[in-house]
Amino acid sequence: ETGVTQSPTHLIKTRGQQVTLRCSSQSGHNTVSWYQQALGQGPQFIFQYYREEENGRGNFPPRFSGLQFPNYSSELNVNALELDDSALYLCASRGGNEQFFGPGTRLTVL
Amino acid sequence: SQQGEEDPQALSIQEGENATMNCSYKTSINNLQWYRQNSGRGLVHLILIRSNEREKHSGRLRVTLDTSKKSSSLLITASRAADTASYFCATDGGKLIFGQGTELSVKP
Repeated sequence: ETGVTQSPTHLIKTRGQQVTLRCSSQSGHNTVSWYQQALGQGPQFIFQYYREEENGRGNFPPRFSGLQFPNYSSELNVNALELDDSALYLCASRGGNEQFFGPGTRLTVL
Repeated sequence: SQQGEEDPQALSIQEGENATMNCSYKTSINNLQWYRQNSGRGLVHLILIRSNEREKHSGRLRVTLDTSKKSSSLLITASRAADTASYFCATDGGKLIFGQGTELSVKP
């Protein structure tokens, strides 16, 4: 157990819909990152939040957006869902050099 | 896009044997980390090696780093069936960039 939790565990949406995924970081960690992992691939960096500000972004379109709250929990929002958005979405909170990952949310877009 | 490549993509060995996985990367790094993932679940941090280190041990794990060749290897000694999982290297230059992973299968 890393102390990082994510909800929901699984989610099914249809194309064009919007989705919000949630992450509670480990206590005291003020940096949260989100990753997308397609089946059979390594995780790909979406973006990172530090003290409620986005401070790094990967190669993802603007319909992927996020928020970090004062308690350092975080949300990932995806608008206008596409079939290729089907993946495992992982969040990680950073403590020093080490990142602690949550169990992920499995998103299926039909 | 992925930073590095891992080799092999899949590895099948018998319990008790050693497993070696390799990782190559492209840009300069602060450190390199290895993670384990069981069947589509969250990633578990195994070991971190800093850019100024050449070798690091943790239990049955041994990691090497060659910054001149931009490569790293993970050795798992005396493997167990419970080591069956996917293993990923990730370079840290401010954000983690993962390789494609090696799928390790340890047969009892």
